[in-house]
Amino acid sequence: DIQMTQSPSTLSASVGDRVTVTCRASQSIGNWLAWHQQKPGKAPKLLIYKTSILESGVPSRFSGSGSGTDFTLTISSLQPDDFATYFCQQYSTYPLTFGGGAKVEIK
Amino acid sequence: EVQLVESGGGLVQPGGSLRLSCAASGFTLSDYYVDWVRQAPGRGLEWLGRSRNKANSYTTEYAASVKGRFTVSRDDSKNSLYLQMNSLKIEDTAVFYCTRSDSSGYSALWGQGTLVTVSS
Repeated sequence: DIQMTQSPSTLSASVGDRVTVTCRASQSIGNWLAWHQQKPGKAPKLLIYKTSILESGVPSRFSGSGSGTDFTLTISSLQPDDFATYFCQQYSTYPLTFGGGAKVEIK
Repeated sequence: EVQLVESGGGLVQPGGSLRLSCAASGFTLSDYYVDWVRQAPGRGLEWLGRSRNKANSYTTEYAASVKGRFTVSRDDSKNSLYLQMNSLKIEDTAVFYCTRSDSSGYSALWGQGTLVTVSS
């Protein structure tokens, strides 16, 4: 199975900060990577697919980059609505796998 | 409104069975791949299995952790999909989500989830 490792697991930041979360795959997944946002008690929501394509309706302050094994999710200017946990998902190979999550907390 | 709604969760004893439902509205479920994903309390996300769309003959894939115990099926007349779970274990306790997935594989639309608790 492809292991997805996210870092950091927890991040403290302030409104307006630039925030970066990384996701590393245990083997190459091309650009078959998605990012999901989850708020407490809620279902996840798709933000980005195919590494860098924003889902419809997702604010442009979110961006994704990378290829192969190393990927990043960047929030250019953190907003109050962005405090949440972010999961990466590889869909290159079965079984599909998720990273352990990166919780973005208020500093 | 385009949405997925899961139901059927609840309390079940170890070794028992449960069938979860995933009902679609606002779109035709048979046109899409559907995945089941679970999240144990305070934990991350675990992909469980996939039902491809009608065009791909509803073929399935399963995670090793549930293969042979969990089965995905569909009822096009109800625009629904099901997860039959047998031989449940305590470690199967989780919120179960169904997701509508793009044919390339990512989970594009999530249901609200249904909680399954396996306990004696």
